[in-house]
Amino acid sequence: EVQLVQSGAEVKKPGESLKISCKGSGYSFTNYWIGWVRQMPGKGLEWMGIIYPGDSDTRYSPSFQGQVTISADKSINTAYLQWSSLKASDTAMYYCARPKDSSSWGAFDIWGQGTMVTVSS
Amino acid sequence: SYVLTQPPSVSVAPGQTARITCGGNNIGSKSVHWYQQKPGQAPVLVVYDDGDRPSGIPERFSGSNSGNTATLTISRVEAGDEADYYCQVWDSSSDHYVFGTGTKVTVL
Repeated sequence: EVQLVQSGAEVKKPGESLKISCKGSGYSFTNYWIGWVRQMPGKGLEWMGIIYPGDSDTRYSPSFQGQVTISADKSINTAYLQWSSLKASDTAMYYCARPKDSSSWGAFDIWGQGTMVTVSS
Repeated sequence: SYVLTQPPSVSVAPGQTARITCGGNNIGSKSVHWYQQKPGQAPVLVVYDDGDRPSGIPERFSGSNSGNTATLTISRVEAGDEADYYCQVWDSSSDHYVFGTGTKVTVL
């Protein structure tokens, strides 16, 4: 079964760092892009960025460039989303997702279960 | 940047047809994908590449795309179709994905 399994919910304080993960299984991890999507409470979906684990080619939405870092470790089939200094406005659900076609950007047919990040003093 | 505009809400009676629009500049030249998201759940792909359905998605879900508007049509609406729906494209000019603003479908 093809699936993406994300790390668990996090509660952090403003200014702290954080790295959440997304582990792929059931497919060739290096041949598919992995994207990250933010959903703030009660709001819509926002595309943050995407990485190709095969060569770590990474693209960011202008809204998130410089605010987060996307990375991947192909040896353990895992993609990451990290913050160096969290803000309260980073409180949101974060999803990883995989396009349906290898080596291309298309519809996301596989989604992780989501990681809830809460930033509060 | 490329913007996709959806109506905030659509209401429909059971058994009727719901149409959800997604407006964007010359969106007919792009491939449009649609997602369904129920409360507390991750999004689910219901239509890709304008009008194709992933396996397991009922034929009641269909899509079209022309000019400046793409449309997701849900025929013979059921109570279980009540959810938020989002359109999505890949904007080749900026090399970015874009999501629509989202539409809440309410089954009366």
